[in-house]
Amino acid sequence: EVQLLESGGDWVQPGGSLRLSCAASGFSISNYAMSWVRQAPGKGLEWVSGLSGSAGTTYYADSVKGRFTISRDISKNTLYLQMSSLRAEDTAVYYCAKVRTPMVEVDSNFDYWGQGTLVIVSS
Amino acid sequence: SSELTQDPAVSVALGQTVRITCQGDSLRTYYASWYQQKPGQAPVLVTYNYNNRPPGIPDRFSGSSSGSMAALTITGAQAEDEADYYCNSRDSSADHLGNVIFGGGTKLTVL
Repeated sequence: EVQLLESGGDWVQPGGSLRLSCAASGFSISNYAMSWVRQAPGKGLEWVSGLSGSAGTTYYADSVKGRFTISRDISKNTLYLQMSSLRAEDTAVYYCAKVRTPMVEVDSNFDYWGQGTLVIVSS
Repeated sequence: SSELTQDPAVSVALGQTVRITCQGDSLRTYYASWYQQKPGQAPVLVTYNYNNRPPGIPDRFSGSSSGSMAALTITGAQAEDEADYYCNSRDSSADHLGNVIFGGGTKLTVL
């Protein structure tokens, strides 16, 4: 059974840093492109970052480019999102999501999502 | 980057048919996927690549696309279909290839 379990969400002051983790089970993240998607309180979904299936290419929304870094550890079957220079507008539930088709570089069909981890940026 | 536009809210009478739309230039190049999200839960993929459904999604959910518009149709809406619905696709703008975009979401009320 495919499962995604995010962790690492916390309260952090503006300008601070945080690393989110997404532990995957039931499949190998080395075979699938993965993404982080966030949802601010009471707002819609916003794609944040993606990692290609080959892990050769990373992609970022303009709102986080230069501040966030996506990466993965295949040995731990875990996806990460390193967040720095955090702002109040980064406050959101952060979901990791797996694409449906294996070995594609980019895809927007997210067939499995984690339960999300809450990041609060506030002084 | 590209944008996807959805109506903020739609309502449907129980058992009737409702169409939720999503409009954007990226849909001329890429198919839309549709997600259902209920309060406090993660999104669930309901249709992808024009009109494909993942296992376990009822066949009352169907997708369609024409030009710059995609639609999710629910034929015979049930009370449990009351939720927020989001479309997404790949970004077709030249400097954001590889990115993904989401519509703003549509809140569906079943009367």
